[in-house]
Amino acid sequence: QKEVEQDPGPLSVPEGAIVSLNCTYSNSAFQYFMWYRQYSRKGPELLMYTYSSGNKEDGRFTAQVDKSSKYISLFIRDSQPSDSATYLCASYDGGVTGGFKTIFGAGTRLFVKA
Amino acid sequence: GAVVSQHPSRVICKSGTSVKIECRSLDFQATTMFWYRQFPKKSLMLMATSNEGSKATYEQGVEKDKFLINHASLTLSTLTVTSAHPEDSSFYICSARARTVNQPQHFGDGTRLSIL
Repeated sequence: QKEVEQDPGPLSVPEGAIVSLNCTYSNSAFQYFMWYRQYSRKGPELLMYTYSSGNKEDGRFTAQVDKSSKYISLFIRDSQPSDSATYLCASYDGGVTGGFKTIFGAGTRLFVKA
Repeated sequence: GAVVSQHPSRVICKSGTSVKIECRSLDFQATTMFWYRQFPKKSLMLMATSNEGSKATYEQGVEKDKFLINHASLTLSTLTVTSAHPEDSSFYICSARARTVNQPQHFGDGTRLSIL
């Protein structure tokens, strides 16, 4: 079992839709959770960075972490064609178990149709 | 925000050539830098982790002598692909983490390497 599981998609939605991207993780020591956006032929760009459980909002993006169920989500409101990209979830334990290694999900490819 | 600069963005060269890729953290000091390889439509594959001033730690299956990593300062790491062959053609991405505790990784824009 991978430490971070993510459905690779692709996910196709119409412009203006609310997008929900999800990941599950298995390591209960994970405390820090990230979402990255990667456009084709570019490096990943950090979108959201959260600590422990809870919600964090930044513009049209909301990151949600539920440590009890080991579930992390990214919501995109009013999706735009420019949001079409691959979204990677990631996590690490912040050194609790001696490891700072970031574990990435496989990435979900999102297509927003105009 | 934290900026990581990677250069060059594109390399095309003949088989047997050695290629050096630079990764710089422009506005923060990076205690740790990471090198990834990514195949088309696939996820990131960690190749090695380097801490400033010490030897890189390579992931299982990555040849140390093929992929030389140097992390000479808190803002610069280099990856040298030695005697490159067509099978080394790939997208290489560097990443850096600031020395401040519990900071996320920031990525460069990648280098597309094509070996003819």
